[in-house]
Amino acid sequence: GQQLNQSPQSMFIQEGEDVSMNCTSSSIFNTWLWYKQDPGEGPVLLIALYKAGELTSNGRLTAQFGITRKDSFLNISASIPSDVGIYFCAGQLFQGAQKLVFGQGTRLTINP
Amino acid sequence: NAGVMQNPRHLVRRRGQEARLRCSPMKGHSHVYWYRQLPEEGLKFMVYLQKENIIDESGMPKERFSAEFPKEGPSILRIQQVVRGDSAAYFCASSRNFASTDTQYFGPGTRLTVL
Repeated sequence: GQQLNQSPQSMFIQEGEDVSMNCTSSSIFNTWLWYKQDPGEGPVLLIALYKAGELTSNGRLTAQFGITRKDSFLNISASIPSDVGIYFCAGQLFQGAQKLVFGQGTRLTINP
Repeated sequence: NAGVMQNPRHLVRRRGQEARLRCSPMKGHSHVYWYRQLPEEGLKFMVYLQKENIIDESGMPKERFSAEFPKEGPSILRIQQVVRGDSAAYFCASSRNFASTDTQYFGPGTRLTVL
């Protein structure tokens, strides 16, 4: 089945540092999504990418949809304490199959 | 805030009992998805439903699990004769349509603990 490999699994950084995480797949996806999950809550969509090569920003977040459609990265600039949480990439193969395939997550911890 | 509603938020069952998880999609959304998350893992797709129809149940175990989304009322994920391995967080998501640009919005989840 389709699998997404997300790295790193965890990150420990200082407040103010930039963060980078990525996701790779052995399969092509037509949509890449990045979600953030806080403890005890459901995932919240951060950025959606619909075209290969697309680079999209949302405030301090920037994400790119890889040209091969098999990878994506998420960057967070100037991290702040509320960025703490688990970040998930998700791929969607649109051909009548709307299910999302999720990566294993990147747990971000910020030292003040 | 008329987001995706799930209840109960926490559910404790003993082995062999039944668990019923409810999901009310966002207003105007007719597509519902159920996902399961084990500790320290990502979400895994279980089933995709539209009103009164199961569209894709490829991620749902063949036995003990069932899902419905009736014409009226919430979507229900039902787990019969629960076992300890069913302990997980179950998330429901909804979307307005099935286009690739239709975002799936997630509910807060139901945390199922099987004793």
